[in-house]
Amino acid sequence: ELKVEQNPLFLSMQEGKNYTIYCNYSTTSDRLYWYRQDPGKSLESLFVLLSNGAVKQEGRLMASLDTKARLSTLHITAAVHDLSATYFCAVMRNNDMRFGAGTRLTVKP
Amino acid sequence: DSGVTQTPKHLITATGQRVTLRCSPRSGDLSVYWYQQSLDQGLQFLIQYYNGEERAKGNILERFSAQQFPDLHSELNLSSLELGDSALYFCASSGMGLAGVDTQYFGPGTRLTVL
Repeated sequence: ELKVEQNPLFLSMQEGKNYTIYCNYSTTSDRLYWYRQDPGKSLESLFVLLSNGAVKQEGRLMASLDTKARLSTLHITAAVHDLSATYFCAVMRNNDMRFGAGTRLTVKP
Repeated sequence: DSGVTQTPKHLITATGQRVTLRCSPRSGDLSVYWYQQSLDQGLQFLIQYYNGEERAKGNILERFSAQQFPDLHSELNLSSLELGDSALYFCASSGMGLAGVDTQYFGPGTRLTVL
């Protein structure tokens, strides 16, 4: 059964610092997604990663995929308050998708 | 505004009842996805349709069903409702099927409360 684990579940960081959110999954995958959710809001797609070694960057966020290690990372560079949100990874395999529990990120001044 | 609309925004109903949630995708998008978000279960993928055909199926209960119509809007039907079905239901749309890279655009969600 496909299982997806994210860590940490809660992350409090200061503005200007760097940090990484990890997403581990239990079986092979077809693709991996990262999403953002602001409190009380809907989801926003951030990245879709298809192949081993894939790296995508948007602003202060960079996502990478290592299919051999079954690991994706979401790296935050020089965090700003606007990045405060919950971040989810999700893995698609055999036409089924499973989500991680989410990482609640709080960026403090 | 993602361009994806969902109705209703809020729905309060009783156990045992049946409800229908509606989703209109962005103009031109052929894929529609349904998700459930609750405190107990977290985020769960329910089902995906592409141009009227079911393409992927996740943790969708037998009491739930969905369809995508020729005009590409989709409906999620929830029947024999239980307290545990109380959740936020999101739909998303994308321009491509599973074969392509599919950036999903999410609707605002329908909050279902079962009393």
